[in-house]
Amino acid sequence: DGGITQSPKYLFRKEGQNVTLSCEQNLNHDAMYWYRQDPGQGLRLIYYSQIVNDFQKGDIAEGYSVSREKKESFPLTVTSAQKNPTAFYLCASRPGQQETQYFGPGTRLLVL
Amino acid sequence: AQSVTQPDIHITVSEGASLELRCNYSYGATPYLFWYVQSPGQGLQLLLKYFSGDTLVQGIKGFEAEFKRSQSSFNLRKPSVHWSDAAEYFCAVGALPPGTYKYIFGTGTRLKVLA
Repeated sequence: DGGITQSPKYLFRKEGQNVTLSCEQNLNHDAMYWYRQDPGQGLRLIYYSQIVNDFQKGDIAEGYSVSREKKESFPLTVTSAQKNPTAFYLCASRPGQQETQYFGPGTRLLVL
Repeated sequence: AQSVTQPDIHITVSEGASLELRCNYSYGATPYLFWYVQSPGQGLQLLLKYFSGDTLVQGIKGFEAEFKRSQSSFNLRKPSVHWSDAAEYFCAVGALPPGTYKYIFGTGTRLKVLA
């Protein structure tokens, strides 16, 4: 069953802690994206990757880091430098040479 | 600068009534246009998309949208709303800049359906 999975569904972060959100896809899509969603602000792009071992900053990359070592995986680390990390995080993927992005179910990050 | 505007933050309709959600964009060329739907706590599901050709596009769940170049609009419509359509709807513009396949999203319209 092909799709995009994100784990965990809920994640709690303590002050000063780094946390990593997982995004995996078995659709053989080339590109992957991370978005942050806050109420009333729509989705904002954090990072994106069009091929393995390459990624670019989006509009709000400060305080976040990513890696793309495998085509199927694009983990997002929320570092302690991100002072307001509470949000809903969405991962998406896109087939090569196509415009349409497909989204995972999301991870909600909460700060303790 | 490119932008997407969804003027209505909240819309309430009665079940069985028609629905139109507005989306306006600012972009120098004809963009790729999308409508997504999000149920609470869930990811986004693609409803429909417009790339070129016929300006009236059909999507899933009985939704359609019309691209109007002169008005820079891509409004979403449904002739008869069902209670299960209650959700948040996002309009997005793609291919900005060309080759990056990045989207710009509107801020969303939350739909409430009255029984």
